[in-house]
Amino acid sequence: EIVMTQSPATLSVSPGERATLSCRASQSVGSNLAWYQQKPGQAPRLLIYGASARATGIPARFSGSGSGTEFTLTISSLQSEDFAVYYCQQSTNWRYTFGQGTKLEIK
Amino acid sequence: EVQLVESGGGLLQPGGSLRLSCAASGFTVSSNYMTWVRQAPGKGLEWVSVMSSGGSTYYADSVKGRFTISRDNSKNTVYLQMNRLRAEDTAVYYCARGDNSGYYDYGMDVWGQGTTVTVSS
Repeated sequence: EIVMTQSPATLSVSPGERATLSCRASQSVGSNLAWYQQKPGQAPRLLIYGASARATGIPARFSGSGSGTEFTLTISSLQSEDFAVYYCQQSTNWRYTFGQGTKLEIK
Repeated sequence: EVQLVESGGGLLQPGGSLRLSCAASGFTVSSNYMTWVRQAPGKGLEWVSVMSSGGSTYYADSVKGRFTISRDNSKNTVYLQMNRLRAEDTAVYYCARGDNSGYYDYGMDVWGQGTTVTVSS
């Protein structure tokens, strides 16, 4: 099983600043890496797929990068609605694993 | 409007069985892969099962042999039959739509609101 490790577990950032979240895979997943945002009591929302493609309706301040085993989600200028938990997820050979999540909180 | 609505959750004892339903609208479930993802209380997301557009099925090791994913194209609904339930199966269960093309995956872009399964004696 491919293990996804996210860091940090919690990130404290002020509104308007940049946030950088990391995700590492235990083996190469190519570019099959997605990022999701989840707010309390809500279902996850797809932000990024294919490591760097924004999903429909996702603001340009969200960007993804990386390939192989190292990936990054960057939020360029944090808005109040961006404070949430973020998960990375790989898909390989019809098996899927999520990272443990990064909680993005207001500093 | 593209939508998924789960139902069927509940409280039951260890060893019991339950069938979850995921009714789709605005698209055809057989045109995409459909997956179940669960989230234990206060925990992260865990993939459970997927059915490809072609009908192939795959399972997480934690549920293999106990859970079965299926679909009824006439009802545009996906199901998760859960047998021999354990306390550790307690979670909110989400169904989600995904899409892929060959090796490239487009992610899970539509999610239901979730249905809660509690396994406790």
